[in-house]
Amino acid sequence: GPKVLQIPSHQIIDMGQMVTLNCDPVSNHLYFYWYKQILGQQMEFLVNFYNGKVMEKSKLFKDQFSVERPDGSYFTLKIQPTALEDSAVYFCASSFYAEQFFGPGTRLTVL
Amino acid sequence: GDQVEQSPSALSLHEGTGSALRCNFTTTMRAVQWFQQNSRGSLINLFYLASGTKENGRLKSTFNSKESYSTLHIRDAQLEDSGTYFCAAEANSGGSNAKLTFGKGTKLSVKS
Repeated sequence: GPKVLQIPSHQIIDMGQMVTLNCDPVSNHLYFYWYKQILGQQMEFLVNFYNGKVMEKSKLFKDQFSVERPDGSYFTLKIQPTALEDSAVYFCASSFYAEQFFGPGTRLTVL
Repeated sequence: GDQVEQSPSALSLHEGTGSALRCNFTTTMRAVQWFQQNSRGSLINLFYLASGTKENGRLKSTFNSKESYSTLHIRDAQLEDSGTYFCAAEANSGGSNAKLTFGKGTKLSVKS
């Protein structure tokens, strides 16, 4: 099936630092998403993005979070500054219309 | 409360047997996806349904929007079917790129 790539697969950083998570969505997809999964828990929606704009965000999408996709390159999630509770696996997804396809996730550990 | 209630939370099957997973929705959903999350954590797309029933190999899924539920049937379970299965649904009020609301997952163990 369609492949979404995520870089890096793991990231360890100190609390207060900035981190950027990168997503390479399926090439012809138009809609992009970030989800967060804390170990052993369910996946939770963070944000979706279309045509250069955030369409919807959840209460988990704190002010320290931002997303962008400059010039059709990676779709990124930036957290600045990071907090301990940001430790989780972050999944990127993309869709052409409705069915979403997920990347393998980036495991973020904030120390 | 949760909009997507998934059951059972855990399931153990012997190879060759089968069972069903279920998701009940507390709000009107317009589509559902089912995923298998493997041991590496990757989400594998199993089904996308806006209505009705789809079948793929040993898996079959049904989505009934009116009665607010979806099921995933597994038959002739194999060891590689082990993993955590999630349903995820789009609310009816969402736009064309509506967010998915996930269930808490069913951890399936298939034993020989």
